[in-house]
Amino acid sequence: KNQVEQSPQSLIILEGKNCTLQCNYTVSPFSNLRWYKQDTGRGPVSLTIMTFSENTKSNGRYTATLDADTKQSSLHITASQLSDSASYICVVSGNRGSTLGRLYFGRGTQLTVWP
Amino acid sequence: DVKVTQSSRYLVKRTGEKVFLECVQDMDHENMFWYRQDPGLGLRLIYFSYDVKMKEKGDIPEGYSVSREKKERFSLILESASTNQTSMYLCASSLTLRTGVDTEAFFGQGTRLTVV
Repeated sequence: KNQVEQSPQSLIILEGKNCTLQCNYTVSPFSNLRWYKQDTGRGPVSLTIMTFSENTKSNGRYTATLDADTKQSSLHITASQLSDSASYICVVSGNRGSTLGRLYFGRGTQLTVWP
Repeated sequence: DVKVTQSSRYLVKRTGEKVFLECVQDMDHENMFWYRQDPGLGLRLIYFSYDVKMKEKGDIPEGYSVSREKKERFSLILESASTNQTSMYLCASSLTLRTGVDTEAFFGQGTRLTVV
């Protein structure tokens, strides 16, 4: 079964600290993996995209890693800010056959940054 | 600028009413999706469409139907609204390249539907 699991479910950190969010998936065949940020009451917005051949990709203070062999990804946030408080969702895209065009969502990690 | 627009941000309907949620995208995307999002459950796919007049059931289609008469518009229909359909509804669109790789999914701002 094609699934995406995220951990932790929720996380509270102090402003300025770093944190790492985890994503494990079983989607196959796999096309790409994205991390989305969803602010309360808004639609998700893409942060990073990683394809099968990429290991690391950065977007400002966000760095995503991907291990396609173990089917694991992480999102590292450096020097957190209050505006980082949001839900972070891992989304895996299927490539062909029964998974073509399908998006598989994790349930998200709710990050809260305290001053 | 890329845009997916949902017709309402907030909606309150009575049990048994027929409800239409509209979504329009201006990116000429083939793929359009309807999700619902509930606390602790994440986003769950209701229906999706790869082309005009084409639709496929997602993971939780019961109680819903969809319509895609034009490429840019994808409508979600609640035939007879029930209280367990109170939720946040999100529309998204994406493009699948000839290589089979799909582009980023762009989301609307969401419609928070309350059925009383």
